[in-house]
Amino acid sequence: QKEVEQNSGPLSVPEGAIASLNCTYSDRGSQSFFWYRQYSGKSPELIMSIYSNGDKEDGRFTAQLNKASQYVSLLIRDSQPSDSATYLCAVTPSGGSNYKLTFGKGTLLTVNP
Amino acid sequence: DADVTQTPRNRITKTGKRIMLECSQTKGHDRMYWYRQDPGLGLRLIYYSFDVKDINKGEISDGYSVSRQAQAKFSLSLESAIPNQTALYFCATSDPTGGNTGELFFGEGSRLTVL
Repeated sequence: QKEVEQNSGPLSVPEGAIASLNCTYSDRGSQSFFWYRQYSGKSPELIMSIYSNGDKEDGRFTAQLNKASQYVSLLIRDSQPSDSATYLCAVTPSGGSNYKLTFGKGTLLTVNP
Repeated sequence: DADVTQTPRNRITKTGKRIMLECSQTKGHDRMYWYRQDPGLGLRLIYYSFDVKDINKGEISDGYSVSRQAQAKFSLSLESAIPNQTALYFCATSDPTGGNTGELFFGEGSRLTVL
């Protein structure tokens, strides 16, 4: 069973700080990595995808991937109370089954005003 | 209106009852999925379908069945509900032609409670 591990949190940061969310995965052959955001009582929505080692920036969000360490992270700069949500890491398995995401259990982020 | 619509949004039922959760989508996507979400366990794939004639089991299909009535409709059934099937169920779609094959578009969820 391929696993995706996340610290469940809660992670609490003050408004304006950088929030750092981490994820490790067990399938060394995984090729695609995603971060979903889920507000309480709502459905998940994709906020970032990353496929190559290094950093990918989109506005206040930066995804970082290190395939050698099997580690993917999400940084949120200038955190806002509206960023308070559960963040789900998702990974596609090796072998070409890129439609079968494995999700981590999620990290609850709270941004305090 | 939502692109991926689930009905019912909330349902309370008793052990042994048959339950159907319905999903319809207007996104035109061929791929549809059913996930369940439990506190502390994350999202787990129950079934997925690539088209009307292609239905596949996910990691936790026991106790569930599905029907793909049309490209836009994908239903999940619990033939004889049991309490450990109490969960939040999500339908999702994806479009493999867009390149971003990991992007799932989720419905609003169906909260099922089995007493």
